[in-house]
Amino acid sequence: QSALTQPRSVSGSPGQSVTISCTGTSGDVGGYNYVSWYQHHPGKAPKLVIYDVTKRPSGVPDRFSGSKSGNTASLTISGLQAEDDADYYCCSYAGDYTLVFGGGTKLTVL
Amino acid sequence: QLQESGPGLVEPSETLSLTCTVSGGSITITTYYWAWIRQPPGEGLEWIGSFYYTGSTYYHPSLKSRVTISVDTSKNQFSLNLSSVTAADTAMYYCARVFRATDYLDSWGQGNLVTVSS
Repeated sequence: QSALTQPRSVSGSPGQSVTISCTGTSGDVGGYNYVSWYQHHPGKAPKLVIYDVTKRPSGVPDRFSGSKSGNTASLTISGLQAEDDADYYCCSYAGDYTLVFGGGTKLTVL
Repeated sequence: QLQESGPGLVEPSETLSLTCTVSGGSITITTYYWAWIRQPPGEGLEWIGSFYYTGSTYYHPSLKSRVTISVDTSKNQFSLNLSSVTAADTAMYYCARVFRATDYLDSWGQGNLVTVSS
């Protein structure tokens, strides 16, 4: 079970859009529509921002959106705001009741 | 709400033991599983294992021989035991609630930092 691949860092200015990719295999991301994304501010509990590839939990702004193509899932944050500056992790079901996370992406709002 | 508790320092070769206390809801809620996740310093998140209150447990393949997750429904708590620890087990440990065993983690604890050192 290998970690999903995410870029180490991305950046954008306030108001811009950024996309974070999450690449796996047909055994995880490509095989199931159980991809979720988490926002993590250091010292705080991670927060669910996208689940089931494209769905947003109640209370998460519609600036956050998710998609998937083949073995790669993506999180797009539009209209960047200062509070979006955080680490982001993808997670996928990987079969046999196991979960696998990505290595994390540091988003810097310039 | 979930809250981890346990020692912050464990000696090499010993067993790491953490407890997660669930408040504001029952640990026996149907459909939801409960999980442990860790984050070594400077690294990403790693799923350790999940369980359902009826006793079904699922573990990360590489940790399976050293991990036990158990539940105390009377206290609304669940626990993690990780045996024969080394410095590589130094990490922030989180407990979380998982929708089904296959889907998203919708509630997390704040984390408990555990350092393995003599």
